Amino acid sequence: AQSVTQLDSQVPVFEEAPVELRCNYSSSVSVYLFWYVQYPNQGLQLLLKYLSGSTLVKGINGFEAEFNKSQTSFHLRKPSVHISDTAEYFCARGSGGGNKLTFGTGTQLKVEL
Amino acid sequence: KAGVTQTPRYLIKTRGQQVTLSCSPISGHRSVSWYQQTPGQGLQFLFEYFSETQRNKGNFPGRFSGRQFSNSRSEMNVSTLELGDSALYLCASSLGDLSYGYTFGSGTRLTVV
Repeated sequence: AQSVTQLDSQVPVFEEAPVELRCNYSSSVSVYLFWYVQYPNQGLQLLLKYLSGSTLVKGINGFEAEFNKSQTSFHLRKPSVHISDTAEYFCARGSGGGNKLTFGTGTQLKVEL
Repeated sequence: KAGVTQTPRYLIKTRGQQVTLSCSPISGHRSVSWYQQTPGQGLQFLFEYFSETQRNKGNFPGRFSGRQFSNSRSEMNVSTLELGDSALYLCASSLGDLSYGYTFGSGTRLTVV
């Protein structure tokens, strides 16, 4: 079965420090990968997506992710976080045979002063 | 441009009742998907509709059903509610397939008592 693994359930970080949220996916011939953010009591907002081409993907709010096929990873990074980045982050993949997203279990990013 | 609108935002129902949730996609979007989010199971795919046809279905019992109207608005129905159906139900719309990415609504928080 196609799966997504987010290795960290919680990541605490100080404001202005860099952060990396890890995501691994089960190998597939072709794969679409996404990162979404969810603020409390809200839906999911798309940060960035990888469909094909350049392995470094830039998204909104200063986030970027790198697609690594050999390590089947799609880690999310931000060089300097802000308090407002405190939220839950979900990695997701597109599954073949339809437009279904398979999500990881989420990583709670907590930015502290 | 209006986003994805889900109504109602909050709902409390009694075990055994049925419920209907509504989703209005972004204008021009023909694909609507539904996801269930719970603390224990995370985000799980329910079904996807495109041009009034169910295109993909997740692994949920038959008590969960949906439909899409000619204006792309979608409804999902849950019959014979169980306590375990308490969740945030998220609707997402897209122009057509995953390559466009999905835009999520704010969700309907269903509580079954």
